[in-house]
Amino acid sequence: AQTVTQSQPEMSVQEAETVTLSCTYDTSESDYYLFWYKQPPSRQMILVIRQEAYKQQNATENRFSVNFQKAAKSFSLKISDSQLGDAAMYFCAYRSANFGNEKLTFGTGTRLTIIP
Amino acid sequence: DAGVTQSPTHLIKTRGQQVTLRCSPKSGHDTVSWYQQALGQGPQFIFQYYEEEERQRGNFPDRFSGHQFPNYSSELNVNALLLGDSALYLCASSFLGQALNTEAFFGQGTRLTVV
Repeated sequence: AQTVTQSQPEMSVQEAETVTLSCTYDTSESDYYLFWYKQPPSRQMILVIRQEAYKQQNATENRFSVNFQKAAKSFSLKISDSQLGDAAMYFCAYRSANFGNEKLTFGTGTRLTIIP
Repeated sequence: DAGVTQSPTHLIKTRGQQVTLRCSPKSGHDTVSWYQQALGQGPQFIFQYYEEEERQRGNFPDRFSGHQFPNYSSELNVNALLLGDSALYLCASSFLGQALNTEAFFGQGTRLTVV
């Protein structure tokens, strides 16, 4: 079974600064997908960024980028130029690439606070 | 596009009762998954429905059951409610035809409180 670990329950960053959220995972599979989801107080999970394990290039979406280290099973999220609207719970999630096993396995989350 | 809609948004039930939660998937999606998110935790996978059949199931007891209708909407039923069933229940929809290439879209959840 796959597991996802987020070791930082809370993080804070000054507005306009950069912050990195950590995530490690455990799997015996070679092909899979990794995601970062944002959950604001509205409760809706919003996809921030995704990474395919077979791609060596790190994914980037505007101010959000990842550092994917497959051998180390590490998948960190970097938020640049932090904005007040970035304040939320952030969840790292794993999904197998095997057809028939599309469930998401989530970590326990990191609460990000933006300091004005 | 209304996205994924869930009802009700909040619900209070008494221990031992039964509850039904509802989910309408995003337009064009045919697969619905349900997750339970306890306070301060990440979501836990309950089960997934496709073509009106349970396709995959997580580690939840048989008190948790579901249904998918021909229009792809879905229900989550929980029998004999326990205090520990208090949680946010999230519904996520996706399109199985491109399962590996489409993201799951989530609804805003139903907050269930068991007293």
